[in-house]
Amino acid sequence: QKEVEQNSGPLSVPEGAIASLNCTYSDRGSQSFFWYRQYSGKSPELIMFIYSNGDKEDGRFTAQLNKASQYVSLLIRDSQPSDSATYLCAVRKGGKLIFGQGTELSVKP
Amino acid sequence: DAGITQSPRHKVTETGTPVTLRCHQTENHRYMYWYRQDPGHGLRLIHYSYGVKDTDKGEVSDGYSVSRSKTEDFLLTLESATSSQTSVYFCAIGGDQPQHFGDGTRLSIL
Repeated sequence: QKEVEQNSGPLSVPEGAIASLNCTYSDRGSQSFFWYRQYSGKSPELIMFIYSNGDKEDGRFTAQLNKASQYVSLLIRDSQPSDSATYLCAVRKGGKLIFGQGTELSVKP
Repeated sequence: DAGITQSPRHKVTETGTPVTLRCHQTENHRYMYWYRQDPGHGLRLIHYSYGVKDTDKGEVSDGYSVSRSKTEDFLLTLESATSSQTSVYFCAIGGDQPQHFGDGTRLSIL
């Protein structure tokens, strides 16, 4: 079992819909969780982090964390074609971040 | 711009040759990281540094070494390149998590 698992997709949603990206992790002791966005051919960029159970909102983005279920998700409201990218989930383990393989999101006009 | 520069941006070399990639930052971040990215594997940590001369191994450190003699520079060396090290390499800087990534180095080993 991988330490951080994501559905590789592609996940396709229509413009204006809510995109839901999911991530599970195996280490129950993990404390910090991160979402990065990576456009094709570009470098990753940090868009959200969450430490506590529950929801954290930043503009159109909401990160959700459920430590009991070892599950973290990213919701993108009012999805735009410019949101089309690969979204990487990362979990802190000790002093290091472990990344999932990423979920490709495609937002169709 | 996050003030992080990787060089070279592209390199093609032969199996068995030494290769050094450079990461330079102007942000004075304590932490610097080297990742590789391959299809189906996401980002995998090779080595990281938490200060001058302070480095530690990541998930996939075999075949790689690093050095950090100055705050601003973090070097990744492939002592004897192999075809399995063909990849895109990203440097990152930040606090205790990578916050900004460089533009990447596309390395091909033939």
